[in-house]
Amino acid sequence: GAGVSQSPSNKVTEKGKDVELRCDPISGHTALYWYRQSLGQGLEFLIYFQGNSAPDKSGLPSDRFSAERTGGSVSTLTIQRTQQEDSAVYLCASSLETGNFYGYTFGSGTRLTVV
Amino acid sequence: GQQVMQIPQYQHVQEGEDFTTYCNSSTTLSNIQWYKQRPGGHPVFLIQLVKSGEVKKQKRLTFQFGEAKKNSSLHITATQTTDVGTYFCTRGSNYKLTFGKGTLLTVNP
Repeated sequence: GAGVSQSPSNKVTEKGKDVELRCDPISGHTALYWYRQSLGQGLEFLIYFQGNSAPDKSGLPSDRFSAERTGGSVSTLTIQRTQQEDSAVYLCASSLETGNFYGYTFGSGTRLTVV
Repeated sequence: GQQVMQIPQYQHVQEGEDFTTYCNSSTTLSNIQWYKQRPGGHPVFLIQLVKSGEVKKQKRLTFQFGEAKKNSSLHITATQTTDVGTYFCTRGSNYKLTFGKGTLLTVNP
């Protein structure tokens, strides 16, 4: 697609429920990144994919968080048993390749509210 | 990894005034990228600096990379209300960018 697409744009869920956040990167971008941004804060790195592989999952806050990417394209971030502290904007970005010489294109994010 | 420190954290200016935000690192950077995030929006890539002493301009925005590649600055000439937002400098480490809290710029019309 023309840009990075994320869905849903907003999600309100009850504490303890599972949620799935979707990211559709720019066609041809092999690298995909997930970040989290709490109100007024910077971006917290969660995980990145090179193709379908996730070499670094160290940013995932707990084992309730998982992510996968299929076909080198769409990625899903799953949060199980959501907690109120999971409330944030979840941003997905893609770039042509991994490596710090490529600018990231971000999606508009999913605003997650856990009540 | 080590973050790039950015100052100031907040800056409020009158429309037409200039604005500068600075990034400093204790280690040499291979490159530095700048992003802008409008209120309620997502970060948008502005530019990447790679060479020592590099200066790049985008209309009223001037980006500079220090000679030692340990600091960078973004200068906006004659700010406009459309410049409002948070400006992030980021450092890369092989495969990912690390974002700090950025500088929040507000402009009084």
